[in-house]
Amino acid sequence: NAGVTQTPKFQVLKTGQSMTLQCAQDMNHEYMSWYRQDPGMGLRLIHYSVGAGITDQGEVPNGYNVSRSTTEDFPLRLLSAAPSQTSVYFCASSYTGRQPQHFGDGTRLSIL
Amino acid sequence: GENVEQHPSTLSVQEGDSAVIKCTYSDSASNYFPWYKQELGKRPQLIIDIRSNVGEKKDQRIAVTLNKTAKHFSLHITETQPEDSAVYFCAAFFSSNTGKLIFGQGTTLQVKP
Repeated sequence: NAGVTQTPKFQVLKTGQSMTLQCAQDMNHEYMSWYRQDPGMGLRLIHYSVGAGITDQGEVPNGYNVSRSTTEDFPLRLLSAAPSQTSVYFCASSYTGRQPQHFGDGTRLSIL
Repeated sequence: GENVEQHPSTLSVQEGDSAVIKCTYSDSASNYFPWYKQELGKRPQLIIDIRSNVGEKKDQRIAVTLNKTAKHFSLHITETQPEDSAVYFCAAFFSSNTGKLIFGQGTTLQVKP
């Protein structure tokens, strides 16, 4: 049982490049979410999903896209990377938003 | 808007003392309040949670209290140990739209031996 798997663990991009952060869970969780963590700012919600085909914006959605074609996968796309998107990104999942969240190990992203 | 405020941002205590972290939330309809602990370089992990139909919950040295009228909840750690040193996050579930979990800014707890 792998839990929540995030790939890659580390990534360096140049400004303007695009990329997709992968998140997969094997617990049949309906609720999945993406957070970014910056020093002193806690965990800020980017996008979330309550099930396949349903996504919604969080606190800081600009510059990011998501889709949820399957229950297991919830990729996060950076359309045109900017230095302000340098951060640690966490994916989390649970049965519902009112249940304990299972976090992945995070992706450390640097944009030059 | 949907907001969770957490205080203090840093907290230093002597081993054996108690530590208290406080959070307030903006939506009176919120009904789920978890607390997470994050050690350096690791993922956040749930340590305790409380729902709005309960005023207090305990798990060994950790307790959480909820005041729905004032819209605030607190984490209490008694008999602190050096391994309690970490960043602690509170969160609240907001029911608007499809529902989402919003976190506070975090508290860095240092327990001095």
